Amino acid sequence: QLQLQESGPGLMKPSETLSLTCTVSGGSISSSSYYWGWIRQPPGKGLEWIGSMYSSGNTYYNPSLKSRVTISVDTSKNQFSLDVNSVTAADTAVYYCARHGGLGEFDPWGQGTLVTVSS
Amino acid sequence: QSALTQPASVSGSPGQSITISCTGTSSDVGAYSYVSWYQLHPGKAPKLMIYDVANRPSGVSNRFSGSKSGNTASLTISGLQAKDEADYYCSSYTSGITLDVVFGGGTKLTVL
Repeated sequence: QLQLQESGPGLMKPSETLSLTCTVSGGSISSSSYYWGWIRQPPGKGLEWIGSMYSSGNTYYNPSLKSRVTISVDTSKNQFSLDVNSVTAADTAVYYCARHGGLGEFDPWGQGTLVTVSS
Repeated sequence: QSALTQPASVSGSPGQSITISCTGTSSDVGAYSYVSWYQLHPGKAPKLMIYDVANRPSGVSNRFSGSKSGNTASLTISGLQAKDEADYYCSSYTSGITLDVVFGGGTKLTVL
């Protein structure tokens, strides 16, 4: 059974770079024809797609975040990562990773990790 | 890229049926059959309930069903149970230069 688990810093200061990692178990990132995505949910707000990466390495980002985010993969560790630079309080959110069907569904999801940006 | 429109809240009594709407545009919900629905319980991993408008993943109760008409997709839950109380979000592929996904604002379902 495929499982995903996010890991990250928890608390950050404005202007720093947020780095999150998603560890995939129960299947290989590189052997499947899926995308791997990141989604976030600010406190009291809705879900927002951040971006997705195909198993080949091609990446796709939410136009509103594209200038600040990078998704990468480490196939040797079966992990993919998200970097968000120049964070502000508006980047405070629960960050989820998920397998992405590309045009469609996200399934399964990780449990999420809360990232708080505060001075 | 604007969020899909969902009602902020819906409620129903055990055993009843409820429907949550998800309204988009002719560039997302209306254009593609790539609408998904997710159930969020606090502290738990979000769960896929419906994909490709009306398909249920293995293990999801047949009390959950999805449909679409024009620019509006709907999630119907029949035979409401207390455990159905959660937040529900829709999502859709949206046209553009490249892959793009938009979510709805979310709906809080209260089982009375």
